[in-house]
Amino acid sequence: NAGVTQTPKFQVLKTGQSMTLQCAQDMNHEYMSWYRQDPGMGLRLIHYSVGAGITDQGEVPNGYNVSRSTTEDFPLRLLSAAPSQTSVYFCASSFRDRSLHGYTFGSGTRLTVV
Amino acid sequence: DQQVKQNSPSLSVQEGRISILNCDYTNSMFDYFLWYKKYPAEGPTFLISISSIKDKNEDGRFTVFLNKSAKHLSLHIVPSQPGDSAVYFCAASPDYDKVIFGPGTSLSVIP
Repeated sequence: NAGVTQTPKFQVLKTGQSMTLQCAQDMNHEYMSWYRQDPGMGLRLIHYSVGAGITDQGEVPNGYNVSRSTTEDFPLRLLSAAPSQTSVYFCASSFRDRSLHGYTFGSGTRLTVV
Repeated sequence: DQQVKQNSPSLSVQEGRISILNCDYTNSMFDYFLWYKKYPAEGPTFLISISSIKDKNEDGRFTVFLNKSAKHLSLHIVPSQPGDSAVYFCAASPDYDKVIFGPGTSLSVIP
């Protein structure tokens, strides 16, 4: 099925560990982004990419790295996990225009840092 | 400071009645607005959008109204159905590449 695939769905990390959250889309979307969802805060933009080889920071980029080597994939790397990074992470993609279709989101990764 | 505000964390409505979800924004550079719906353990799904050159957009039971002078938009759901029970996020965008989300309103439609 076409869409955005995120793996893993759940992850528990110890403080200081690193990991990569995977995101892949098969809709040939130019734009991809990572959000985190926290209670009362809505969705906050971490990093985004407007095409292969191009990335930029969002509202809350500290502690996260991204790269975009292909159109399909946009992994999010946690360099040294902290309890403040406990959250639900969503990857989204879209065509880079002002179409009325909005973003397509993945089903999320629930991360707990202990 | 939040640029997109949804001041009602929750809303309960009887089945068949109208649901009105409100959203306020602070940045006059926002020119594109969207509503997303989210069920538990799923990603948000796009619901409806409106450009700042319009004041109303309708899609079936869902209508979004935009009042630019008040920096306010609202989502109307008529008639409300139990399957509409979800968290609704208002979002706004100043350009192609950034979308700012509000904190969400949890809607419960009571049968």
